[in-house]
Amino acid sequence: DVKVTQSSRYLVKRTGEKVFLECVQDMDHENMFWYRQDPGLGLRLIYFSYDVKMKEKGDIPEGYSVSREKKERFSLILESASTNQTSMYLCASTKTRVLSYEQYFGPGTRLTVT
Amino acid sequence: KQEVTQIPAALSVPEGENLVLNCSFTDSAIYNLQWFRQDPGKGLTSLLLIQSSQREQTSGRLNASLDKSSGRSTLYIAASQPGDSATYLCACTGNQFYFGTGTSLTVIP
Repeated sequence: DVKVTQSSRYLVKRTGEKVFLECVQDMDHENMFWYRQDPGLGLRLIYFSYDVKMKEKGDIPEGYSVSREKKERFSLILESASTNQTSMYLCASTKTRVLSYEQYFGPGTRLTVT
Repeated sequence: KQEVTQIPAALSVPEGENLVLNCSFTDSAIYNLQWFRQDPGKGLTSLLLIQSSQREQTSGRLNASLDKSSGRSTLYIAASQPGDSATYLCACTGNQFYFGTGTSLTVIP
């Protein structure tokens, strides 16, 4: 079974802090994604990566950056956290760049910015 | 841009009832459609994946159908149980994944 893990289930940070969220998958998947999920808005794509050191902006990249130095690890970075970035963050992966494969999700990180 | 809609937003049914959850999408040019389950505060668990060339997929008490021409998919749950209570999301795949906002299902014992 594919396993996608996220570094923290819950995080509380202060406004202006730099925040790192990490995601690791263990099935040699090429594609990795970061979403945020907010009530009434559903899942919105922040960034995705289809290879090491490659990244593509999603629908809401402002205020975020990403890093993919190793195939199995995809990090989401909030350069200067703000209260409107309080949300549930979900990482996902798929086998290849072709999006016909199943998407697997991690357990999520609930981030609160105060 | 693809838009995915799930109606109703919430549904309550008594235990044992068969039920159908609906998902509609605006652009029929999709690779596949995937149904997920999400428990409160948790990530998404994949239930069924239907490729664009398929009409339906089954897993246990779950059956998902896909009609690309009408832009619709349904998730049928047979003999519902309290453990089925969760939010169910559909996602269709074009040049990225597009998610609906989900249907919150409550199965009453």
